[in-house]
Amino acid sequence: KQEVTQIPAALSVPEGENLVLNCSFTDSAIYNLQWFRQDPGKGLTSLLLIQSSQREQTSGRLNASLDKSSGRSTLYIAASQPGDSATYLCAVTDQAGTALIFGKGTTLSVSS
Amino acid sequence: GAGVSQSPSNKVTEKGKDVELRCDPISGHTALYWYRQSLGQGLEFLIYFQGNSAPDKSGLPSDRFSAERTGGSVSTLTIQRTQQEDSAVYLCASSGHRGRFGEQFFGPGTRLTVL
Repeated sequence: KQEVTQIPAALSVPEGENLVLNCSFTDSAIYNLQWFRQDPGKGLTSLLLIQSSQREQTSGRLNASLDKSSGRSTLYIAASQPGDSATYLCAVTDQAGTALIFGKGTTLSVSS
Repeated sequence: GAGVSQSPSNKVTEKGKDVELRCDPISGHTALYWYRQSLGQGLEFLIYFQGNSAPDKSGLPSDRFSAERTGGSVSTLTIQRTQQEDSAVYLCASSGHRGRFGEQFFGPGTRLTVL
């Protein structure tokens, strides 16, 4: 059974720092991996999707990498801003390639 | 264009009552998913619809939960005889591809409170 773990559970940084969020999964037979952002009391906003054949994806200050063989993904946020404060969720598709299996998230706080 | 919408945004009900939650996916998206987010449990998959195929119900926690999708668009999640442990945020997502490689887009959720 696929399990997704995110470390750390919480992270506090001053504005301007570069930071890395980690995600690991137990079964490397995934079809894609998706990073989301969730603000308090809100739904999920998709940040990046990496297909299993890809190694990384970039969007603005965000860069996500995927190493399927080791079961790891990282989300790199450059020059963090207070507006980046949110919970970041990592999810992989199950072996049927349909449902997303989520980690419990990393709650990020960026102070000005 | 419009994203995924869900209604109601909040629902408070008494234990034992039935509730219906609605999801309007992004127009043209063939895949629709329901998830549940509860404290301490994180996000868990409930059910998946793809076009006219039979739904994948493997995530439904009990037979009190059911869902249907009419005309390949709007979906309704029904919880019968609600229990306090059903209290959670119910999230709907849609995808424009056949599941495997499709990016899923989420609605704002329905917060269900069972008293």
